[in-house]
Amino acid sequence: AQSVTQLDSHVSVSEGTPVLLRCNYSSSYSPSLFWYVQHPNKGLQLLLKYTSAATLVKGINGFEAEFKKSETSFHLTKPSAHMSDAAEYFCVVSEGGSQGNLIFGKGTKLSVKP
Amino acid sequence: GAVVSQHPSWVICKSGTSVKIECRSLDFQATTMFWYRQFPKQSLMLMATSNEGSKATYEQGVEKDKFLINHASLTLSTLTVTSAHPEDSSFYICSARDSAGLANYHQETQYFGPGTRLLVL
Repeated sequence: AQSVTQLDSHVSVSEGTPVLLRCNYSSSYSPSLFWYVQHPNKGLQLLLKYTSAATLVKGINGFEAEFKKSETSFHLTKPSAHMSDAAEYFCVVSEGGSQGNLIFGKGTKLSVKP
Repeated sequence: GAVVSQHPSWVICKSGTSVKIECRSLDFQATTMFWYRQFPKQSLMLMATSNEGSKATYEQGVEKDKFLINHASLTLSTLTVTSAHPEDSSFYICSARDSAGLANYHQETQYFGPGTRLLVL
């Protein structure tokens, strides 16, 4: 069965410094992996996805993530944090198949200090 | 492209009443839509998978008679919370999968609505 572990429930960075949000997954086959962002009282926005193409995936707003099969990781990074990046971030794995149900991590809250 | 809307965005109701939430894919067709529930400061929990023209598939522990799902067209799914109680208060989020793969991403990608916050008094 698939599962997702987000290693940090809360990450705090200063504006202009790098962001690293960690995610490890468990999957019995080649997974599809996603990062979604949720701003307060808003729905989820897709940041990026990995579907067995390039292992380094570039997303919106300067975010990127690298799929590392040997480490079963899909960490999200951004070189320089912006105040508007403060939000909840979810790492998600797809079960695949005809339903393609999504399995959500518990989320990482990113705070950005001025 | 790939926009999903939900209506209403906020609803407050009395205990015992029923509430209907609509989920629409605005610029693509969605054979499959999903309904999630999110409690404060927690992750999303899949409630059910809604397939156009057939019965919804409910996750374990979700009462199908309590949460009625109808997916009558390729762009609309509705969730009705019947005889709502205060413990049903939550943030309900739907998502839709682009059946034809016409959106920017692969067709298995789910696009999420903005959510509906339900408060039952």
